[in-house]
Amino acid sequence: EVQLVESGGVVVQPGESLRLSCEASGFTFDGFTFDDYPMHWVRQVPGKGLEWVSLISWDGDSTYYVDSVKGRFTISRDNSKNSLYLQMNSLKTEDSGLYFCAKENSGNSALDVWGQGTMVTVSS
Amino acid sequence: DIQMTQSPSSLSASVGDRVTITCRASQSISSYLNWYQQKPGKAPKLLIYAASYLQSGVPSRFSGSGSGTDFTLTISSLQPEDSATYYCQQSYSSPQTFGGGTKVEIK
Repeated sequence: EVQLVESGGVVVQPGESLRLSCEASGFTFDGFTFDDYPMHWVRQVPGKGLEWVSLISWDGDSTYYVDSVKGRFTISRDNSKNSLYLQMNSLKTEDSGLYFCAKENSGNSALDVWGQGTMVTVSS
Repeated sequence: DIQMTQSPSSLSASVGDRVTITCRASQSISSYLNWYQQKPGKAPKLLIYAASYLQSGVPSRFSGSGSGTDFTLTISSLQPEDSATYYCQQSYSSPQTFGGGTKVEIK
């Protein structure tokens, strides 16, 4: 069974930077590997709804962002390490929230496996 | 950006009731519509993908329908464990977007 584990969430001040990581495991049972799948970041302010943040293609060549983070966040992946990253620069208070990484199901673009999330708090 | 509007924002229903949640896209998204269930303190769980396909392991009382701009999630016979918040998501184009959520409570 595929599992995703996020890390890196901490309390930071506005303007600071942070890198989130997401490590994937359990791919080998079905013959597929981490680099077969696009990966996403989704965030959620506690008590509020889900907000899609970013997407990276299986090979890392294509990336997409929600407008509010463009130019400040960078999604990347290291397929040799089964890992996904989110570099977050110039953080704002409104970036606070629980950040989930999620695997996209090949063929239908739904998010079929999610991590438990890592909490980012941006506060002065 | 494509806006996703869910209704109602909350509902309360009894065990055994049929429950319907709607999701409307601001433009056509074909069938690129997914439904998720989220319980407090947990990650979202995929229920329905491509508007009407049941994710493996999800009870058959859940179903989805629609295409274009209007979609529905139906729970045919509400169970106590279905108490949760439900979200629709369009994966037609980036930035992908979620609906605001529908909180389902058991009377």
